[in-house]
Amino acid sequence: DTGVSQDPRHKITKRGQNVTFRCDPISEHNRLYWYRQTLGQGPEFLTYFQNEAQLEKSRLLSDRFSAERPKGSFSTLEIQRTEQGDSAMYLCASSTEGGWAGDEQYFGPGTRLTVT
Amino acid sequence: GNSVTQMEGPVTLSEEAFLTINCTYTATGYPSLFWYVQYPGEGLQLLLKATKADDKGSNKGFEATYRKETTSFHLEKGSVQVSDSAVYFCALNPNDYKLSFGAGTTVTVRA
Repeated sequence: DTGVSQDPRHKITKRGQNVTFRCDPISEHNRLYWYRQTLGQGPEFLTYFQNEAQLEKSRLLSDRFSAERPKGSFSTLEIQRTEQGDSAMYLCASSTEGGWAGDEQYFGPGTRLTVT
Repeated sequence: GNSVTQMEGPVTLSEEAFLTINCTYTATGYPSLFWYVQYPGEGLQLLLKATKADDKGSNKGFEATYRKETTSFHLEKGSVQVSDSAVYFCALNPNDYKLSFGAGTTVTVRA
């Protein structure tokens, strides 16, 4: 197992453009999470999936953001009409369905988005 | 709400020095507590965790004890190495899915 992977690692886009990021979780993990990390801050929760069901979305996830996990495997995060404030590192994590607060979440390397 | 406050950095130490990074939290119920580490150019990885009061998590010479009475989870290492240079994040999970992180503390260890 190679861990959680994310693609692309870096994305530079112009304001107003749409972008899509992909996350491939660890294969046996049925939970998948998205976080956002801005410079000098810790990651902030955006949303999570259990299999293909999106079970919670943070208020940080405005209407311009949409996440999918159509077959319960990989996930995509799309940002429409990007704004400069969207510039951040977008992190994906996965875990088993332990239903327990002590379960470890395994993080990918992140996708760094820069909106110019 | 749930929140984590950790010691501001950056912290610069000499090799073999003692490291402590303070972390306090606010949460309802009995959260699990974590320290994650981010080495230069790498992703976040779990360093250690504790899931109930008075538990001690330990890994790679680092330790942290879950103190419910002081709502703290301070990270310590007795003798740091250059390879410990990284950003350290304290985090809590009050339920079974959402981690809340502190702002991170950058640690630089000089030879």
